[in-house]
Amino acid sequence: RKEVEQDPGPFNVPEGATVAFNCTYSNSASQSFFWYRQDCRKEPKLLMSVYSSGNEDGRFTAQLNRASQYISLLIRDSKLSDSATYLCVVVSYSSASKIIFGSGTRLSIRP
Amino acid sequence: DGGITQSPKYLFRKEGQNVTLSCEQNLNHDAMYWYRQDPGQGLRLIYYSQIVNDFQKGDIAEGYSVSREKKESFPLTVTSAQKNPTAFYLCASSGTSGGETQYFGPGTRLLVL
Repeated sequence: RKEVEQDPGPFNVPEGATVAFNCTYSNSASQSFFWYRQDCRKEPKLLMSVYSSGNEDGRFTAQLNRASQYISLLIRDSKLSDSATYLCVVVSYSSASKIIFGSGTRLSIRP
Repeated sequence: DGGITQSPKYLFRKEGQNVTLSCEQNLNHDAMYWYRQDPGQGLRLIYYSQIVNDFQKGDIAEGYSVSREKKESFPLTVTSAQKNPTAFYLCASSGTSGGETQYFGPGTRLLVL
């Protein structure tokens, strides 16, 4: 089983729709979680951190479910510009921190 | 402007040749990282450094080498021992190792001739 797993997609949804995808992780000691956005042939850029209480930034909402070991990203009122690959990142701290990137979920918004 | 830069944007390597990818940051970050990304894949950690003059192997260090002589710079050498080097190479930095957000450079695409 991979340490961090994401549905690769692609998710193809119409503009204005709400879309959500999850990222599961296997290490229960994981402590920090992030969502990054990566456009085609570009570097990943931080979208948002994920806090235990959940957090919202405009149309984007991130949540963490420690019991089931997954994080989620919800995008409301999707825009054409939201088309990208979304990477989840899970960080575990032990003797040395370990950062694991998911392989990404591709999202395509159609007009 | 503060940020992290990588050069070159594209790099071509001949068989048996070593090539070096540059990564520079002026964010005053302690930690720096090198990742490799293959088409349709996630990022895989090659090497990371938490402090000057110290670095550790990541998950796929074989065929690569790094140095960290200055806080601002973390160059990656792809050696001839790396048999499948064609990939997108991303450098990142963070204030501390793992705990803080990583900021990425624009990447270098390495192609084998």
